[in-house]
Amino acid sequence: AQSVTQLGSHVSVSEGALVLLRCNYSSSVPPYLFWYVQYPNQGLQLLLKYTSAATLVKGINGFEAEFKKSETSFHLTKPSAHMSDAAEYFCAVSARGGGADGLTFGKGTHLIIQP
Amino acid sequence: DAGITQSPRHKVTETGTPVTLRCHQTENHRYMYWYRQDPGHGLRLIHYSYGVKDTDKGEVSDGYSVSRSKTEDFLLTLESATSSQTSVYFCAISESPSGRPYNEQFFGPGTRLTVL
Repeated sequence: AQSVTQLGSHVSVSEGALVLLRCNYSSSVPPYLFWYVQYPNQGLQLLLKYTSAATLVKGINGFEAEFKKSETSFHLTKPSAHMSDAAEYFCAVSARGGGADGLTFGKGTHLIIQP
Repeated sequence: DAGITQSPRHKVTETGTPVTLRCHQTENHRYMYWYRQDPGHGLRLIHYSYGVKDTDKGEVSDGYSVSRSKTEDFLLTLESATSSQTSVYFCAISESPSGRPYNEQFFGPGTRLTVL
């Protein structure tokens, strides 16, 4: 069984400030971990993924995330927020090599960028 | 962008009526999924398919059925819609060269369903 907890349903940062979105997971097997972004009235777009290679993963739009097994975390960061980063962000987990089972998502974090 | 379309994009229906949502892909991916998205719940898996005529239940499958007669199409049916099924429905696909899913999934644009 797997689960994902995203701390903070809403996060507000100033333009140019550091973005930090928190994700903790629970998995009985080594996980694959993902961050997706959803802009209003659109589908989900993959930002980045961890699949057991490097623990620091770089994604699109300047985002990166670090897998920390000891803390069961996969927090998403971006050094400098841009207005275009305002969106809903979802962390998701899947059992590694677990066949066709789907992703387990967190409840999402709405990122607000203050001018 | 992955070639995934969903139809209809918006639908309003009445309680008790049957509804079918369609997901169509042009990627020839083996795995297809249906999720629902509700405020405060994120996305939850309804059903998934691992090949033509091969389907299985997800976390919230009650009240839903699926069918996959062709690789490219995955249908989600609400046999008798209820107000609790008002939601945004997303289709996703996945594939890997080895035949097992990478678990990285690509999502369609969604269908907004309102049940009155």
